[in-house]
Amino acid sequence: AQSVAQPEDQVNVAEGNPLTVKCTYSVSGNPYLFWYVQYPNRGLQFLLKYITGDNLVKGSYGFEAEFNKSQTSFHLKKPSALVSDSALYFCAVRDGGYGNNRLAFGKGNQVVVIP
Amino acid sequence: TAGITQAPTSQILAAGRSMTLRCTQDMRHNAMYWYRQDLGLGLRLIHYSNTAGTTGKGEVPDGYSVSRANTDDFPLTLASAVPSQTSVYFCASSPYWDGDQPQHFGDGTRLSIL
Repeated sequence: AQSVAQPEDQVNVAEGNPLTVKCTYSVSGNPYLFWYVQYPNRGLQFLLKYITGDNLVKGSYGFEAEFNKSQTSFHLKKPSALVSDSALYFCAVRDGGYGNNRLAFGKGNQVVVIP
Repeated sequence: TAGITQAPTSQILAAGRSMTLRCTQDMRHNAMYWYRQDLGLGLRLIHYSNTAGTTGKGEVPDGYSVSRANTDDFPLTLASAVPSQTSVYFCASSPYWDGDQPQHFGDGTRLSIL
């Protein structure tokens, strides 16, 4: 079964500083990896995904993530954080094999960007 | 704007009562999903539907039922609510069950069982 670990409950960062949200995963086959963001009282919004190809994936709102197969990680990054980036971030994984779209989500990381 | 509509947005329900959470999508997606979100646990899959007419059990299906009579609608029913079902419920959809496209989410139903 697939699983995701997001080890930090909350990430605090000063505005303008680099932001990193950590994610490690476990899956038996090839991983399909996703990052979502959730703002208060809203549903999850898709940020980016890794399916295959280049290990560095660029997504919405200036976010990017790096797939590292040897470390089974998919950390989310942004070079310069904005106050508006304060939100809850979820990493998710599924087995890329045929016949399965059951995502496993991490518990989420609260990001607080301090002005 | 195309997307997923969930209703109601919030509800307080007495234990033992039944309730149906509604979900409608206008993207003609084949696959649909119901999740519950609880603090510290992330999102957990309750039920899913590969395509209209078929449904399957997720990680936490007990106490919930679903139906998929057509492509657009995927209601979730609590037959006899219990306090442990207090949660935020999200409906999601994706173009295909086994594709690599991300799931799209509604804005949720906040349900409190007293």
